[in-house]
Amino acid sequence: AQSVSQHNHHVILSEAASLELGCNYSYGGTVNLFWYVQYPGQHLQLLLKYFSGDPLVKGIKGFEAEFIKSKFSFNLRKPSVQWSDTAEYFCAVNQAGTALIFGKGTTLSVSS
Amino acid sequence: ETGVTQSPTHLIKTRGQQVTLRCSSQSGHNTVSWYQQALGQGPQFIFQYYREEENGRGNFPPRFSGLQFPNYSSELNVNALELDDSALYLCASSLEGPRTEAFFGQGTRLTVV
Repeated sequence: AQSVSQHNHHVILSEAASLELGCNYSYGGTVNLFWYVQYPGQHLQLLLKYFSGDPLVKGIKGFEAEFIKSKFSFNLRKPSVQWSDTAEYFCAVNQAGTALIFGKGTTLSVSS
Repeated sequence: ETGVTQSPTHLIKTRGQQVTLRCSSQSGHNTVSWYQQALGQGPQFIFQYYREEENGRGNFPPRFSGLQFPNYSSELNVNALELDDSALYLCASSLEGPRTEAFFGQGTRLTVV
């Protein structure tokens, strides 16, 4: 079955620390990859997406992700986190406009 | 804001009852998907509608049903509610095509008691 795995359930960082959240998927063929963020009390927002081309994708708020096809991975990174990055982060995958399959999410807590 | 609106925002129902949740998609979007997000979990796909036809369904029983209207708004209906149906229900709208992004509403928090 198609699935998405997020390795970290809860990450706790201090402000200015670097962030990397892992995401692996099990799909054959061409995939579209997404990272969504859910701030407390708010709707899911798209951070960044990968459809094709340059495997290093830059998104909003200083986030980036790298698609490594050979590892079926799409890890999210940010060089220096801020308190306002405290949120839940979801990796999601789909194929050719089909439904998104989400990981279980990673809760990021940033202390000031 | 995404332009996707859901109503109501919160709802409390009794086990065995039926519930209807509503979603207005972003202007121009003809595809609507519904997801269930249980506490501490990622959203799980329920079904998708494209131009008023269901064109994909996740692993949910038939008591979860839906509709899409000519203006592309949508409803999610759940019959015979169970306690485990308590969750955040998310609606997402998108354009058709192989490379599109989904825009999510704020969700409806359903509590079944």
